[in-house]
Amino acid sequence: GNSVTQMEGPVTLSEEAFLTINCTYTATGYPSLFWYVQYPGEGLQLLLKATKADDKGSNKGFEATYRKETTSFHLEKGSVQVSDSAVYFCALSETDGGSQGNLIFGKGTKLSVKP
Amino acid sequence: NAGVTQTPKFQVLKTGQSMTLQCAQDMNHEYMSWYRQDPGMGLRLIHYSVGAGITDQGEVPNGYNVSRSTTEDFPLRLLSAAPSQTSVYFCASSYGAGTLEQYFGPGTRLTVT
Repeated sequence: GNSVTQMEGPVTLSEEAFLTINCTYTATGYPSLFWYVQYPGEGLQLLLKATKADDKGSNKGFEATYRKETTSFHLEKGSVQVSDSAVYFCALSETDGGSQGNLIFGKGTKLSVKP
Repeated sequence: NAGVTQTPKFQVLKTGQSMTLQCAQDMNHEYMSWYRQDPGMGLRLIHYSVGAGITDQGEVPNGYNVSRSTTEDFPLRLLSAAPSQTSVYFCASSYGAGTLEQYFGPGTRLTVT
């Protein structure tokens, strides 16, 4: 079945450091790929998405490129801020039959940014 | 718009009790879903609905029932609570499944003793 693997956390960075959170996926067909963010005590919010190979999603300084050849969708930001501290989830949309479109999530990566 | 609302925010149950977690959305979304979030497990899909009157099972449906009598509401019922159902539950909705953004509620933290 389809699955998502993302790097284990927690990740601790200093303000203005470069961020990479790795995400790889296994899927049949051509899923859409997403990054969701969860701030403390809140639900998840969509951060960015890409719907086909070579698409780049971007939002709030975060970027991720849909790489079909490496089945990856790594999240990057050039200069993190304390306000970026949150849990980040990589997800894909199911491509199989009756469950098509449902989201499959990775386990999440907790990011802490120190001033 | 209130978006996706969930009640209650917190709940403690004893083993064997039943309860309903409420979820409502005011965005006229056709697709709604329930997830549970456990430490180190990410989010796992419990049940989903692609429209009023239509529901289906996700990855972890055992012990939970759902119904979708209106577009707005999608309650999740625990029939006989077990400690393994201690979790944070999120409801989400979108215009459709697939490429579209899902909007999440704030969650319900459930503890079963």
